[in-house]
Amino acid sequence: DVKVTQSSRYLVKRTGEKVFLECVQDMDHENMFWYRQDPGLGLRLIYFSYDVKMKEKGDIPEGYSVSREKKERFSLILESASTNQTSMYLCASIPGTGGLKNTEAFFGQGTRLTVV
Amino acid sequence: SQQGEEDPQALSIQEGENATMNCSYKTSINNLQWYRQNSGRGLVHLILIRSNEREKHSGRLRVTLDTSKKSSSLLITASRAADTASYFCATDAYSGNTPLVFGKGTRLSVIA
Repeated sequence: DVKVTQSSRYLVKRTGEKVFLECVQDMDHENMFWYRQDPGLGLRLIYFSYDVKMKEKGDIPEGYSVSREKKERFSLILESASTNQTSMYLCASIPGTGGLKNTEAFFGQGTRLTVV
Repeated sequence: SQQGEEDPQALSIQEGENATMNCSYKTSINNLQWYRQNSGRGLVHLILIRSNEREKHSGRLRVTLDTSKKSSSLLITASRAADTASYFCATDAYSGNTPLVFGKGTRLSVIA
């Protein structure tokens, strides 16, 4: 079975801290994604990556950065956490090169981040 | 960015009844997918229907796709309390290498 693992289920951080959310997948997928999920807003794409060291901005990249030094790991970084970044963060991966057509996404269990 | 929109936002039914959720989207797509999310967890893929398909079945799930109306429906037959979850549709754009875009979801409650 494909496994996408997020490093923490729950996380509490202080305003201004630098926060790292880690995501690891074990099935050699090329494509990885970070979404955040908020009540009434659904899932919104923050960043995604098609390959090692590649990254693309999603719909809401402000206040975030990402790192993909190895194929299996995609890290989301909150440079200076703020209370409006309190949310559920979901990592996903999709297999395949040359596009994302007709393939399902595999999700991690989510990280509920609270910034106080 | 394009987005699927699920309807209704919330649905409450009795165990054994059928549940129907709808999804509308804005632009041409390659495929449409449905996902399920139990409370506080990640999303789990249920079914994918390609743009050239009109109907697909998987167990108690039936998905239809009408590309002329840019809409899809998910039917869960003989629902169970364990089907209580949020259901999301996701689409990709026909052209380009775009990632999946999710709707806001339908919250289904199945009452035993």
